[in-house]
Amino acid sequence: DQQVKQNSPSLSVQEGRISILNCDYTNSMFDYFLWYKKYPAEGPTFLISISSIKDKNEDGRFTVFLNKSAKHLSLHIVPSQPGDSAVYFCAASAESGNTPLVFGKGTRLSVIA
Amino acid sequence: KAGVTQTPRYLIKTRGQQVTLSCSPISGHRSVSWYQQTPGQGLQFLFEYFSETQRNKGNFPGRFSGRQFSNSRSEMNVSTLELGDSALYLCASSFRGFRWATDTQYFGPGTRLTVL
Repeated sequence: DQQVKQNSPSLSVQEGRISILNCDYTNSMFDYFLWYKKYPAEGPTFLISISSIKDKNEDGRFTVFLNKSAKHLSLHIVPSQPGDSAVYFCAASAESGNTPLVFGKGTRLSVIA
Repeated sequence: KAGVTQTPRYLIKTRGQQVTLSCSPISGHRSVSWYQQTPGQGLQFLFEYFSETQRNKGNFPGRFSGRQFSNSRSEMNVSTLELGDSALYLCASSFRGFRWATDTQYFGPGTRLTVL
């Protein structure tokens, strides 16, 4: 039973355009969400997070949107750059439950120059 | 400051053998978590150690075990290796661990284990 789902295994976007990566979750106890980026031969690195008390969080070119009623979040990258090509993992946690991060299976983003 | 280090980076073993992987967390971090990454399953949580105690355990068989030392370094052991154990094993460290979801986890580069 997958609690965090990233339904698109891969995504290709042209340089300069917007990349939108999607993530759905099923556990209503999740109240903190994160995105990690992973390059080959490296560990995942933290990108951006959002608490359930917010519906949007921005950090430079990266914005995460949270729709609690739909149990859906998305990561927007604007503008996309070739260096953004990586695997992006969505992760969720329940702040109050001492539960480990639950990760999605990842989406491979390719930004084409 | 130095990041999370994992040794070895690559390992090849045969079925039935056992293996020990090592993780050195960021200085000052007391929580170390281990994950298994496979193409089909993504990142799956194995266990978390905090101050030498296992605080959380994922849904893996007892062949997977770990420990943490007083300097917060952690080791993971897999006994009686199976072909399906071939994966990238990642460790992540954080200051306080899962009890505070906002405590960012920093990942090491991983150990690529191949079981033949």
